[in-house]
Amino acid sequence: DQQVKQNSPSLSVQEGRISILNCDYTNSMFDYFLWYKKYPAEGPTFLISISSIKDKNEDGRFTVFLNKSAKHLSLHIVPSQPGDSAVYFCAASATGTASKLTFGTGTRLQVTL
Amino acid sequence: DVKVTQSSRYLVKRTGEKVFLECVQDMDHENMFWYRQDPGLGLRLIYFSYDVKMKEKGDIPEGYSVSREKKERFSLILESASTNQTSMYLCASRVQLRAANYGYTFGSGTRLTVV
Repeated sequence: DQQVKQNSPSLSVQEGRISILNCDYTNSMFDYFLWYKKYPAEGPTFLISISSIKDKNEDGRFTVFLNKSAKHLSLHIVPSQPGDSAVYFCAASATGTASKLTFGTGTRLQVTL
Repeated sequence: DVKVTQSSRYLVKRTGEKVFLECVQDMDHENMFWYRQDPGLGLRLIYFSYDVKMKEKGDIPEGYSVSREKKERFSLILESASTNQTSMYLCASRVQLRAANYGYTFGSGTRLTVV
């Protein structure tokens, strides 16, 4: 039972354009959401997060939007850079569930020149 | 910065062998986790530990066990390695906080191949 889904396994975007990565979840108890970025042969690194009491969080080129009614979040990267090419994982957690993060299947982003 | 170190980057083991994957963190974090990453399946939780000598099963614990004798070290054990355990294994740690709003720090991963 995949509680966090990233339906696009891959995405290709031109440098300078916007990248939009999507994530859907089914568990209504999730109240905190994170995005991680992973390069090959490295562990995932934290990128940005959002609490369920907000609908937007911004950090430089990265913005995460949360639509609780649709159980959907998205990560926007503007402008996209070649160094952004990586696999992006969406993750979610619920207060009181022993700090566990439930991850999505990942989206591979390729930023082309 | 928190550092999470996994002892091996690459391992090749034979079917039936007992395999130990070691993870050490240097920031006194209470919580530690083992995930495996497989194409199309994302990161799946194998086991986690709230604190020393405590452990909880994750979503896919079958074929694995863990040990946490010291706070900084969390070991994943494959009791009898099988080819379907070929995967990237990722260890993570975090501080125990009341709220959920604190993410993990991951190690670099161990790529295990079982032949």
